[in-house]
Amino acid sequence: QSALTQPASVSGSPGQSITISCTGTSSDVGGYNYVSWYQQHPGKAPKLMIYDVSNRPSGVSNRFSGSKSGNTASLTISGLQAEDEADYYCSSYTSSSTLAYVFGTGTKVTVL
Amino acid sequence: QVQLQESGPGLVKPSQTLSLTCTVSGGSISSGGYYWSWIRQHPGKGLEWIGYIYYSGSTYYNPSLKSRVTISVDTSKNQFSLKLSSVTAADTAVYYCARGVETFDYWGQGTLVTVSS
Repeated sequence: QSALTQPASVSGSPGQSITISCTGTSSDVGGYNYVSWYQQHPGKAPKLMIYDVSNRPSGVSNRFSGSKSGNTASLTISGLQAEDEADYYCSSYTSSSTLAYVFGTGTKVTVL
Repeated sequence: QVQLQESGPGLVKPSQTLSLTCTVSGGSISSGGYYWSWIRQHPGKGLEWIGYIYYSGSTYYNPSLKSRVTISVDTSKNQFSLKLSSVTAADTAVYYCARGVETFDYWGQGTLVTVSS
């Protein structure tokens, strides 16, 4: 089972909006609404930012939003802030094999 | 607030068994409704799901690791554990325990395990 495909890096200036894509197949991203997004700062554990494609956990800023179209999910960060600089990973349930869960390759977000 | 904390040796010799425990506080593993997972991250790399366990003891493992992985639960101690046998340098990673399976909503801080003689 291959990892979901994300761009290696995305950058933006403070206040701008950026979007991170997460491309899979009809056996994972496209087939189920179990896409999550995680933020990871250096040396820290991942933090859940979005679950079930577009839901935000309590306490997560509404500057973070998620969506899905076909086999591609997206995370949008609006009003980019310096604290948003981190690695971001998507994940999805998968039925493509006996593997139950797959992560994305990860995207480094840089705030210019 | 649910908290998870990994514990175990930070150094394991090649061919030996890696053993880690995750202690859950702020919530009961046996209250049901949640799966409990192990995830690892090789240095400078992405995340890899290892497997999960339900409080009843039912498990599901990543096929690429299945032959070497055992996850168990001790509800009396509110802990679940990971054993990975026949380790090599390729198993050097930060190991995280987390709550959930489709969504990992609480994570431990992670523990670095180095495989070296």
